[in-house]
Amino acid sequence: EAGVAQSPRYKIIEKRQSVAFWCNPISGHATLYWYQQILGQGPKLLIQFQNNGVVDDSQLPKDRFSAERLKGVDSTLKIQPAKLEDSAVYLCASSLRRNTEAFFGQGTRLTVV
Amino acid sequence: KQEVTQIPAALSVPEGENLVLNCSFTDSAIYNLQWFRQDPGKGLTSLLLIQSSQREQTSGRLNASLDKSSGRSTLYIAASQPGDSATYLCAVSLSGSRLTFGEGTQLTVNP
Repeated sequence: EAGVAQSPRYKIIEKRQSVAFWCNPISGHATLYWYQQILGQGPKLLIQFQNNGVVDDSQLPKDRFSAERLKGVDSTLKIQPAKLEDSAVYLCASSLRRNTEAFFGQGTRLTVV
Repeated sequence: KQEVTQIPAALSVPEGENLVLNCSFTDSAIYNLQWFRQDPGKGLTSLLLIQSSQREQTSGRLNASLDKSSGRSTLYIAASQPGDSATYLCAVSLSGSRLTFGEGTQLTVNP
C-alpha cells in the first residue's frame, strides 16, 4: 500500500515570496491533515479536511495560509507571503476516517531567508 | 485546551536496556492516543494506537499503556537496540479528531 506522498521535500524561499506544497493521501482515506512542525517542537495542526470539506482550521493563519482539497483527494497548502517564522517542516497526514490511525508523509522542509 | 507533556525530553541508554517513555495529558476525555516515531529529517511513523476503551497495545518489543483517568500513557521498549534511536512522540485525539502532540522524547541507544 502506498503511503502519503508529499512534494517537494525541501524548499528555500525569500521572505515575502509565495510557496505551495502538495499532498497525495493514502487511497481511500477520507480525512486529510496539514501539520506544521517547528524545530524541536511537536507538530501543530493547521487544517483538517473531511473529504473536500474543512473540519478544523482554527489554527491556520488565514491572512497568509490557504489550503484546498479538490475532489476529496489531493491537497495543496499555500503560504503567501512567507515570513521568517514560517520556517518549519510541513507534514501531511491522512486517515481512513475521523478518529482512526493517522499516517504521515515525509514532510516538506521550508526555509525562509 | 488539551496539553500534552512528555518526560524525559531526552534519554540515553546502553543497548539491551528496557526503558519507559512517559506521556501525560490534561483533558482525560480523549478518543484515542497514538505513539509515533520520528527519525531525523523524516516524517512520523505510527507505532501504536490505543482507543480510549483500551488499557494497552503491543507490537513486537513495544508496549503502550493508557490510564485515561489519570491522564497518562507509557511506551515500554524492551531490549533496546541502536536502531531504536529516534524521537518518540505521543499524540491524543479528542472527539473532533485533531491530534495534539507532545514535544517528544529524543532517545539514543548506545551500542
